[in-house]
Amino acid sequence: AQSVSQHNHHVILSEAASLELGCNYSYGGTVNLFWYVQYPGQHLQLLLKYFSGDPLVKGIKGFEAEFIKSKFSFNLRKPSVQWSDTAEYFCAASPSGGSYIPTFGRGTSLIVHP
Amino acid sequence: NAGVTQTPKFQVLKTGQSMTLQCAQDMNHEYMSWYRQDPGMGLRLIHYSVGAGITDQGEVPNGYNVSRSTTEDFPLRLLSAAPSQTSVYFCASRRVGGNTEAFFGQGTRLTVV
Repeated sequence: AQSVSQHNHHVILSEAASLELGCNYSYGGTVNLFWYVQYPGQHLQLLLKYFSGDPLVKGIKGFEAEFIKSKFSFNLRKPSVQWSDTAEYFCAASPSGGSYIPTFGRGTSLIVHP
Repeated sequence: NAGVTQTPKFQVLKTGQSMTLQCAQDMNHEYMSWYRQDPGMGLRLIHYSVGAGITDQGEVPNGYNVSRSTTEDFPLRLLSAAPSQTSVYFCASRRVGGNTEAFFGQGTRLTVV
């Protein structure tokens, strides 16, 4: 069965620090990969997505993620975090195309101190 | 477009009561699903549907029923609420076919006492 692992459950950073959140998936075929963000008290919003093409994907608010097929990874990065980035971040994966159901990781709680 | 709309936003139930969480989308998406979100557990799939008249179980279906009589609506029913069903529930929809992302509703925070 497909699974998604997020290595960091809780991350605490100071403003301007760099961020990298790990995400690994287990699936041998072609996958679609996503990062969602959930700000406190809000619903999940798409941060960025990878379907095909350039493995370095840029999303909203300065976030980017790199798909490394050989490592089954899709790590999220931001060079300089802000207090407003405090949120929960979810990695998700689904087989490409069709009606496949996305599988979510357990989430990473990010707290950014001013 | 309203996107995915969930009602109610908050609900308190007594053990044994039943209720229905509503989910509607106006994007003509074939795929709809219900997740529950619990601390440290991420999002776990309860039930999903790939079109009107078609539903299937996800990872944690026990205690929940769904139906899909129209493309737009996908209600989640709790038949006899239990404290273990205290959670935040999210409905999501996406287009079937091709490469697409899921869109989420605002969530329903349910407390069962």
